[in-house]
Amino acid sequence: DSGVTQTPKHLITATGQRVTLRCSPRSGDLSVYWYQQSLDQGLQFLIQYYNGEERAKGNILERFSAQQFPDLHSELNLSSLELGDSALYFCASSTLYNEQFFGPGTRLTVL
Amino acid sequence: SQKIEQNSEALNIQEGKTATLTCNYTNYSPAYLQWYRQDPGRGPVFLLLIRENEKEKRKERLKVTFDTTLKQSLFHITASQPADSATYLCALDMSSENNNDMRFGAGTRLTVKP
Repeated sequence: DSGVTQTPKHLITATGQRVTLRCSPRSGDLSVYWYQQSLDQGLQFLIQYYNGEERAKGNILERFSAQQFPDLHSELNLSSLELGDSALYFCASSTLYNEQFFGPGTRLTVL
Repeated sequence: SQKIEQNSEALNIQEGKTATLTCNYTNYSPAYLQWYRQDPGRGPVFLLLIRENEKEKRKERLKVTFDTTLKQSLFHITASQPADSATYLCALDMSSENNNDMRFGAGTRLTVKP
């Protein structure tokens, strides 16, 4: 158990819909990262927050957004969903040296 | 742009042998490099971090080397066991380039046969 929690574990929805994925980092970690992993692609970095502020942005689509709240939990919002958005979405929190602890992931299926 | 290549998609070895996985990168000099293990359907698990001024690091049966001249890291598992079968990912710190903090390789799927 990494100490990072993610909910829900599974999410099935339809194209065009909007969903919210939630992540709670390990106690004491200020950084939260979001990643997307689909079958034909490796782990793709989406976005990072540090203590409530956006710190780094990767290959995140404009339809996706995230935020980190004062209690340090984070949410990833995915809107206007397409079939290609079906993937595993991981959240990770990190130590000072960016050693990352990953949550169990949310498996999103868009039908 | 930055490219990270892991030597092969899959590697099959016999139990007891040493597995060697390669991570090559271009166009960047990371301050450190990390290796992770990922089992199917689960999140990656951190294994080792090696800094640019370190040549080698060990942890139990694991050994990582980092050659900043060759822009390459090697990851070794000695006395391999079937339980070591998993996908292994290397990751580079990219925090000084393009605001993209961490970048992962595609991974090498290791299978250790009994």
